[in-house]
Amino acid sequence: SQKIEQNSEALNIQEGKTATLTCNYTNYSPAYLQWYRQDPGRGPVFLLLIRENEKEKRKERLKVTFDTTLKQSLFHITASQPADSATYLCALADSSYKLIFGSGTRLLVRP
Amino acid sequence: ETGVTQSPTHLIKTRGQQVTLRCSSQSGHNTVSWYQQALGQGPQFIFQYYREEENGRGNFPPRFSGLQFPNYSSELNVNALELDDSALYLCASSFQGAAGNTIYFGEGSWLTVV
Repeated sequence: SQKIEQNSEALNIQEGKTATLTCNYTNYSPAYLQWYRQDPGRGPVFLLLIRENEKEKRKERLKVTFDTTLKQSLFHITASQPADSATYLCALADSSYKLIFGSGTRLLVRP
Repeated sequence: ETGVTQSPTHLIKTRGQQVTLRCSSQSGHNTVSWYQQALGQGPQFIFQYYREEENGRGNFPPRFSGLQFPNYSSELNVNALELDDSALYLCASSFQGAAGNTIYFGEGSWLTVV
């Protein structure tokens, strides 16, 4: 069955460092991969979308890579700030109608 | 602010009861999807509505049903509530589906079944 894995342990880093979060998937061939941010008690907020034929996408301090051979996406936040502390969700889509989400990784940025 | 509004924000129901959750999608969006998010988990796809028709369904029983109205707002109905239905219910709107498009989530409706 389709499976998406994100590190369940919280990632704890110092302010100013680069945070790198991982999303691995199996038994799936997504056409798109998306990353979301979710704060406690709030709905997910869309951050970035990357297509299967794209290797890398950037937006301000965010960078996403997508390796369809390794079946892996990496999500980077450079020059991290305490305000970046949140749960980050990876989601895959292979059709027009649904997203399949991972369980998310919690990021804690220490001042 | 995403422009997607959900109501109610919190509610408590008794096992066996029925509940209706509502969603107003962002202006210009014709597609609404509903997701269930249990504590500590990622959202799970329930179903999607496109131009008032169900356009796809996840692994949820028939007691989960929905509607989309001409103004593209939507309702999620859950009958015969079970304790495991306790979760955050998220509405997401987009223009023509999920893949390849930006999707906007509402803040969700917290349902507790006792």
